Parts: sequence; structure tokens; C-alpha cells
Amino acid sequence: GAGVSQSPSNKVTEKGKDVELRCDPISGHTALYWYRQRLGQGLEFLIYFQGNSAPDKSGLPSDRFSAERTGGSVSTLTIQRTQQEDSAVYLCASGGGGTAYEQYFGPGTRLTVT
Amino acid sequence: AQSVTQLDSQVPVFEEAPVELRCNYSSSVSVYLFWYVQYPNQGLQLLLKYLSGSTLVKGINGFEAEFNKSQTSFHLRKPSVHISDTAEYFCAVSDTGRRALTFGSGTRLQVQP
Repeated sequence: GAGVSQSPSNKVTEKGKDVELRCDPISGHTALYWYRQRLGQGLEFLIYFQGNSAPDKSGLPSDRFSAERTGGSVSTLTIQRTQQEDSAVYLCASGGGGTAYEQYFGPGTRLTVT
Repeated sequence: AQSVTQLDSQVPVFEEAPVELRCNYSSSVSVYLFWYVQYPNQGLQLLLKYLSGSTLVKGINGFEAEFNKSQTSFHLRKPSVHISDTAEYFCAVSDTGRRALTFGSGTRLQVQP
């Protein structure tokens, strides 16, 4: 079956602009995660959605970052007034929830803020 | 709060030699442990996981890892590596109540002929 997909694969934007990154999780997965990977570093957790529960936003680095998940499926991560330090690969993962702890990752969106 | 330390940023090794990639974690609660691999220009792929039970877990591509609670370690091993194992390896931990993963900074395994 299809894996996690993300779009766009690459995004170049000017400092101060808003960007939206999209994630399509694996069909039927109730859990969805966003992570950020800066060059040469590990992944940083941003936000976690589980079913209809309130999302865990504890990893969002500032109020310029927000995410939503519509209909329990597709998710959009929005970064407002982008800064150069936002340049990174943004990774989305989905999981089955319940006792299934595995997370399946998408290919990521490479964001470059100029 | 949890943290993961991968002690080696790069590990060069010759083909068919054994390898161990080290991972230590810090947590005040029970954890689940994972190793992910990231091949060049590809997404992250789960290699193996420890949730409970036997402390020696086997994963894909001949890799295995051993959970050592007293040493808070989860080192990854392979008895004989191939050129195709060249990739970035990430150790990750989540606690039993919160699903989000905390990742280490990664270890680049470079297999040389």
C-alpha cells in the first residue's frame, strides 16, 4: 500500500513569508507526527495528533508554528513569518495508535528560507 | 524529560567486519526504544524496536540490538556489514505514556571495501 507522502518535496521561500507543508498519512493510521531535522542533527519533535484527542503541541518552537489535521487524515504544518533558522527538513510520520508504537516516515519537505 | 546520546558521530568500518553503534538514553520512566536507518536521499526506515520481553531484539537486514536497563543502553550490532549498510543510523526513545520520539543526533556508518 501507499506510504506516507509529503508535499512539496522542496520549498524555497523568502524570510518573512508564510509556508504550508502537507502530509498524507497511511490510510487508517490514527496517529500523526511532525518532526524537524536540521542539517547534521537528529530529529526534533514538533507536534502529535492522535485520533480526536487534543494534539500534543509541546514541541512547537514558537507561536509562528501551527498544525492542523482535517478529518483525521491529512495534516498541514504552517510556519508564519519564516526565519532563516526555520530552514530544515520537515518530516511527517504516521502510526497505527493503540499498542502499535512504530512510526512510518514520509520523505520529508526540505525548506530553505533565504 | 528524556534524552538520547549517540556517542559516535561517524563509524568507518571495512566490509564484512562487525560493527557496534552505541546508544545511551536518560529517562525517569519506562521507555520503548527504536533504531531507525536513513539511506542517502531516502526517508527514515524502522530497523528494530524494543517494547518489552526479551532484551535482545532482531531487526531487518541482519541487525540486532540489546536493551540493558542497568546501563541505560541500546547498542546496535551487526556481525558482518555490507557496502549497502552505509547510511545514517538514529536511536530513538519514547516513554510508555507519550508517543513522540526523542532522537539521538545520529551515527553515520561508512562501510569501505
